[in-house]
Amino acid sequence: RKEVEQDPGPFNVPEGATVAFNCTYSNSASQSFFWYRQDCRKEPKLLMSVYSSGNEDGRFTAQLNRASQYISLLIRDSKLSDSATYLCVVIPYTNAGKSTFGDGTTLTVKP
Amino acid sequence: DADVTQTPRNRITKTGKRIMLECSQTKGHDRMYWYRQDPGLGLRLIYYSFDVKDINKGEISDGYSVSRQAQAKFSLSLESAIPNQTALYFCATSDGGRRTGELFFGEGSRLTVL
Repeated sequence: RKEVEQDPGPFNVPEGATVAFNCTYSNSASQSFFWYRQDCRKEPKLLMSVYSSGNEDGRFTAQLNRASQYISLLIRDSKLSDSATYLCVVIPYTNAGKSTFGDGTTLTVKP
Repeated sequence: DADVTQTPRNRITKTGKRIMLECSQTKGHDRMYWYRQDPGLGLRLIYYSFDVKDINKGEISDGYSVSRQAQAKFSLSLESAIPNQTALYFCATSDGGRRTGELFFGEGSRLTVL
């Protein structure tokens, strides 16, 4: 089993739709959680950190469920520009510098 | 100018050749990383370094070596390239403070081994 698992998709949604991605992790001693966005053939860029209390940044909401060991990303009112691959990243307590990436979920927003 | 710069951006080479990918950063971060990405997959850690005298293997270090020449420079070498090392390679940095999770990536080096 992979340490970090994501549904690869693709998720194809119309503009304005709400879409949610989940990411599960196997190491219960995980410390920090992030969502990165990666455009085709480009470098990943931090989208948002995921806090225990949940956090929101505009149309994006991230949640953490430690009991079930998953994090989620909700995108409301999808825009064409949201089309990208979204990578879940988990960092364990035991090695704070060693990030583990999921394989990513691909989102395509269509007109 | 990019904060994390990788050279070369694209390279085609032949099996058995020695290849070096270079990374330099102007962010002043202590921590540097080399990742590999294959199509449809996430990033896998090759090597990482928390300071100039610190080098650590990641999950897929076999066939690779690294050198941390200075705080700002971290190079990745393939001593004898093989076709299954064809991939997109990313260098990344992070600081050692509270936001250790935020990685800043270079634009990537696309390597093709024939």
